[in-house]
Amino acid sequence: GAVVSQHPSWVICKSGTSVKIECRSLDFQATTMFWYRQFPKQSLMLMATSNEGSKATYEQGVEKDKFLINHASLTLSTLTVTSAHPEDSSFYICSARTGLGSNQPQHFGDGTRLSIL
Amino acid sequence: AQTVTQSQPEMSVQEAETVTLSCTYDTSESDYYLFWYKQPPSRQMILVIRQEAYKQQNATENRFSVNFQKAAKSFSLKISDSQLGDAAMYFCAYRSRRGGGADGLTFGKGTHLIIQP
Repeated sequence: GAVVSQHPSWVICKSGTSVKIECRSLDFQATTMFWYRQFPKQSLMLMATSNEGSKATYEQGVEKDKFLINHASLTLSTLTVTSAHPEDSSFYICSARTGLGSNQPQHFGDGTRLSIL
Repeated sequence: AQTVTQSQPEMSVQEAETVTLSCTYDTSESDYYLFWYKQPPSRQMILVIRQEAYKQQNATENRFSVNFQKAAKSFSLKISDSQLGDAAMYFCAYRSRRGGGADGLTFGKGTHLIIQP
């Protein structure tokens, strides 16, 4: 149980286009989802926290207008990279947590490799 | 803000031997969680072990165990009887227990574990 699906797994697109990444909890309701970014051979950095039905909370230094997050249902959160440029190329990973308590574990998706040409 | 430090960029161990990965962290909170995650080349994040700060007893999961020293803010991972499948990046992570959605993970920079046959 507790499967998180992320789609697409790899996307290549031209500079200036917008890219949407989906994160779905397949067998549980995710009240909170998290988006992380990982540069090659580096650690994961938390970008934002999204709670179902409310605005996402962004970490310091993350551009809200560049990385649009929507968590419209208990099973789906989306990250849209707007007007993507080569510097946005990275590995994006989501995680989802069920329940309202912070003691609930987070379950990770398989990640999305984004390459901007 | 919390920080997590992994001082060993790379570790190498002979198959069947024991290896210890180091992690220290800094926080002003008294209640939190600590984790070790494994990230193989597939980049899937796999939870290895979890420790709750209020528990004095060190967590163990089969061949994996931790040495949690709360006063020293140290959280090392010991892997016994190393296997080829243990080769991966290992990330130490911190999570607040404050709740309210403020419980995204803070990761260390990772340790690349090499298993020599």
